[in-house]
Amino acid sequence: EAGVAQSPRYKIIEKRQSVAFWCNPISGHATLYWYQQILGQGPKLLIQFQNNGVVDDSQLPKDRFSAERLKGVDSTLKIQPAKLEDSAVYLCASSLTGFGGDGAFFGQGTRLTVV
Amino acid sequence: GQQLNQSPQSMFIQEGEDVSMNCTSSSIFNTWLWYKQDPGEGPVLLIALYKAGELTSNGRLTAQFGITRKDSFLNISASIPSDVGIYFCAGPTLSGYALNFGKGTSLLVTP
Repeated sequence: EAGVAQSPRYKIIEKRQSVAFWCNPISGHATLYWYQQILGQGPKLLIQFQNNGVVDDSQLPKDRFSAERLKGVDSTLKIQPAKLEDSAVYLCASSLTGFGGDGAFFGQGTRLTVV
Repeated sequence: GQQLNQSPQSMFIQEGEDVSMNCTSSSIFNTWLWYKQDPGEGPVLLIALYKAGELTSNGRLTAQFGITRKDSFLNISASIPSDVGIYFCAGPTLSGYALNFGKGTSLLVTP
């Protein structure tokens, strides 16, 4: 079974530029998450989708971050414009049921460096 | 939001030693999860706990769901170099649909 796929693996941009990340979840998983992991911290939830609907985006900085999952499968996360503090690893995860207690499967992440 | 506090922050041990780490919460959880993250990779689920007092093993790993439902423990027996990584505890968010993570315990194992 293929895992969660993310691209790119690494990205370096200048502040105020825009960037987009892509994620393809495990086949059949209705729930997709985007997490932000700052160095030395645990992952922090940005947004959760159930199929193509948003379940929780309370911690997404909506003035600069946006995410979509148009067909209920793959998803993109965009940052525009980027700030220095956005430097982090962006992890995509998916789960079958969408209940946190069932755990989630993570991709390798995209490491973003904003200079 | 719910805070998860992990200790110790880091551990440096010799191969063959046993390791113990814990996680405490500011609120009650119905589920505890333990993940391991290798450098450059995403977290991987190790053990899931669903009942207070539950003790679950996965090979050399054993985790326990505290009876107060506000803590959990992870033990690794006879550590080996591939146990190196960061271990995170996690529990469901208030909505129940996502996970809150602790800050992690970094484990280094010397041969």
